[in-house]
Amino acid sequence: ETGVTQSPTHLIKTRGQQVTLRCSSQSGHNTVSWYQQALGQGPQFIFQYYREEENGRGNFPPRFSGLQFPNYSSELNVNALELDDSALYLCASSFHGVETQYFGPGTRLLVL
Amino acid sequence: AQTVTQSQPEMSVQEAETVTLSCTYDTSESDYYLFWYKQPPSRQMILVIRQEAYKQQNATENRFSVNFQKAAKSFSLKISDSQLGDAAMYFCAFTIYFGNEKLTFGTGTRLTIIP
Repeated sequence: ETGVTQSPTHLIKTRGQQVTLRCSSQSGHNTVSWYQQALGQGPQFIFQYYREEENGRGNFPPRFSGLQFPNYSSELNVNALELDDSALYLCASSFHGVETQYFGPGTRLLVL
Repeated sequence: AQTVTQSQPEMSVQEAETVTLSCTYDTSESDYYLFWYKQPPSRQMILVIRQEAYKQQNATENRFSVNFQKAAKSFSLKISDSQLGDAAMYFCAFTIYFGNEKLTFGTGTRLTIIP
């Protein structure tokens, strides 16, 4: 059984740039959720994708967007990066209707 | 809106001893799920234990057990026979199911194991 994987592990961008983060779900899972974890904080829900559509969104602006592909992998895109976007971005996969989510190792984004 | 509160930013315990981490939550829902996740320095969030609100029996996973008090909206984690590998941030998390299994996390408790 393959676990959740994320790429890249680290990323440095400058303010105003755009970034794409990638996530492959655990085998057998069809739902992907994205979370932002600022330093010293708990993760905050960004959005969830199921059947290639957004299935719920947290309190994040529209410049945070995502995709889910037919193989259930997912991308998180952030446009017009701001300094406060510096954080650990976590992807979690699950099977729709089953509440337990399994997390990937995360992508550390630094915006300068 | 649901909230999760962890009032202990840091805890420490001697190796082989027992420690309890506290968590309280607030919700108007009656059917929900609670989790404890562990995040070691490697950053990966690892599921430790989960509890369904409709179950009165407290969940147990090896050295980890919970004390779930639904009326008090309390969900504490007990770690028995603490080991050096238990050192990590521990997050309490909550979700209700209505087709969107969003997790709401607390701010975490940093657990240090003293050899």
